[in-house]
Amino acid sequence: DGGITQSPKYLFRKEGQNVTLSCEQNLNHDAMYWYRQDPGQGLRLIYYSQIVNDFQKGDIAEGYSVSREKKESFPLTVTSAQKNPTAFYLCASNPRATSGANVLTFGAGSRLTVL
Amino acid sequence: AQRVTQPEKLLSVFKGAPVELKCNYSYSGSPELFWYVQYSRQRLQLLLRHISRESIKGFTADLNKGETSFHLKKPFAQEEDSAMYYCALSGLRDDKIIFGKGTRLHILP
Repeated sequence: DGGITQSPKYLFRKEGQNVTLSCEQNLNHDAMYWYRQDPGQGLRLIYYSQIVNDFQKGDIAEGYSVSREKKESFPLTVTSAQKNPTAFYLCASNPRATSGANVLTFGAGSRLTVL
Repeated sequence: AQRVTQPEKLLSVFKGAPVELKCNYSYSGSPELFWYVQYSRQRLQLLLRHISRESIKGFTADLNKGETSFHLKKPFAQEEDSAMYYCALSGLRDDKIIFGKGTRLHILP
């Protein structure tokens, strides 16, 4: 299935290392998002980007960084400053700016485990 | 501050019984409310949004601004409704979208 592709699906990292999660979309959506999904915590917004070369912090941005150099791509870096990085990460996109429909399309997710 | 509250972590309902998943929100402005669903081994997907005022898979939700609620309802539960349900909120002119903690709906045979 197309739309939003997240990679890798599973990732292991040692403490103290940075890791970058990839998110690519071919839907021509302007806005893209990163959420963290933990059991009992729901989805918490890390960063979102409404347009190329611009992004805003979400509710839990500390220890994370993003870039938006291309419309199709919104990579997330989990830095060593993130105190509890083991989680399931979801990327999403939104066509609101182009079609007016405020609807998120989600990727399949990336599971990061810090050893 | 923006906030979405789903008070129930787990809701177990017998097949054929009515279902109500609760969602309350806090937002200073005009919100747009959504319900997203995640079935087992599937991606998170939109179920419905208040602006559309539609019924999807028998589910409806009405935005009650006085009670700041957007409860999801279905008159007769089906086994295939078992899933994780998330209530979400954004501003009408804001791309920031936040979610509640989710409610797991378990339909008993």
